Amino acid sequence: QVQLQESGPGLVKPSQTLSLTCTVSGGSISSGNFYWSWIRQPAGKGLEWIGRIYSSGSTNYNPSLKSRVTISVDTSKNQFSLNLNSVTAADTAVYYCARGYITVTTNWGQGTLVTVSS
Amino acid sequence: QSVLTQPPSVSAAPGQKVTISCSGSSSNIGNNYVSWYQQLPGTAPKLLIFENNKRPSGIPDRFSGSKSGTSATLGITGLQTGDEADYYCGTWDGSLSAYVFGTGTKVTVL
Repeated sequence: QVQLQESGPGLVKPSQTLSLTCTVSGGSISSGNFYWSWIRQPAGKGLEWIGRIYSSGSTNYNPSLKSRVTISVDTSKNQFSLNLNSVTAADTAVYYCARGYITVTTNWGQGTLVTVSS
Repeated sequence: QSVLTQPPSVSAAPGQKVTISCSGSSSNIGNNYVSWYQQLPGTAPKLLIFENNKRPSGIPDRFSGSKSGTSATLGITGLQTGDEADYYCGTWDGSLSAYVFGTGTKVTVL
């Protein structure tokens, strides 16, 4: 059974770049026709899809975040990463990494809280 | 703001049935499969339903899904206290080229 684990700083200063990594275990990130996604959830609010990268390397991003987001894959480490630049307090949220297909997210990480504050 | 609309909350007594609607458009629900996710308090979301009405292994048949046109519905029968959670629909939006989630519905067992 595949497992996903987010890691990265829990505190980021305003205007800086939020960087998170998702380590995949129990399966190769480069095998299968999977999408590898990032999703976030501010406290007390709903889920917001950030973007995803396909096994081929192609990406899709949330139009509202597209100018600030980059998702990449490191197959040698079986990891994929999220970079979100120019962060503000509005980017404070629990960030989840996930695996799925085009219309469904089948596996989720446990989530990691990132707070944007000086 | 989300392009998929759900009621903020639904409630019923133990053993009863609840339904949760998810309203979208032709660019999302109308032309793509819908999934449903359950988020228990303090935990990550979990897949409940995929491809409109299919259940992953381990999901009891008390949970069911359906789709008609640009709307989808999640049904929960034999409601249990352990079903108290937030529920989200989700699908791909071809116009946005983005995955979209519903606004979320909180289920309360009275």
